[in-house]
Amino acid sequence: AQSVTQLGSHVSVSEGALVLLRCNYSSSVPPYLFWYVQYPNQGLQLLLKYTSAATLVKGINGFEAEFKKSETSFHLTKPSAHMSDAAEYFCVVSSPYTGTASKLTFGTGTRLQVTL
Amino acid sequence: EAQVTQNPRYLITVTGKKLTVTCSQNMNHEYMSWYRQDPGLGLRQIYYSMNVEVTDKGDVPEGYKVSRKEKRNFPLILESPSPNQTSLYFCASSSYRVGIDQPQHFGDGTRLSIL
Repeated sequence: AQSVTQLGSHVSVSEGALVLLRCNYSSSVPPYLFWYVQYPNQGLQLLLKYTSAATLVKGINGFEAEFKKSETSFHLTKPSAHMSDAAEYFCVVSSPYTGTASKLTFGTGTRLQVTL
Repeated sequence: EAQVTQNPRYLITVTGKKLTVTCSQNMNHEYMSWYRQDPGLGLRQIYYSMNVEVTDKGDVPEGYKVSRKEKRNFPLILESPSPNQTSLYFCASSSYRVGIDQPQHFGDGTRLSIL
């Protein structure tokens, strides 16, 4: 079985501050991991993905995430927040080579607020 | 332009009146899926399809039906809608190899209100 836990349903940072959104996963096999962003009244867009290559993954808009197997984590970071980063962020897991290989499991989401 | 198109975008209807939400993709993707998004619950998978005539249940399939007669289309059917199916629905597609290692392309969503 696979699962995803996102710590913190709401995170608020000042513009220019570090963004850290936490994601922990559970999977019986090395997983595929994704971060998606959802802007108001829009569908989801891919930020970045991990599929067993480099553990530090760089995405769009200056975001990156590090896969840490020992901690079962895939936290999303950005060195300096911008007002346009305000959105909801979802961590997603897929477990290949298992009975759930065709299923995606979404975290409950973290809403990022950026203040002046 | 590569896209996933859902229709309608908004629908208000009454309990028990059958409805269909259409989904079409122009990327020749094998994998298509429906999700519902509810506050505090993230996205939950309703049904998915790995190719034509191949569909399977996701995490919350009760009260929904799907079909995949053509590769590009994956309609979601509510035979007898109830108020607890009021939600925001997303269709998505992707290519598929061993597992889902490619990004999902999402439609813009359909907001359903069942009175």
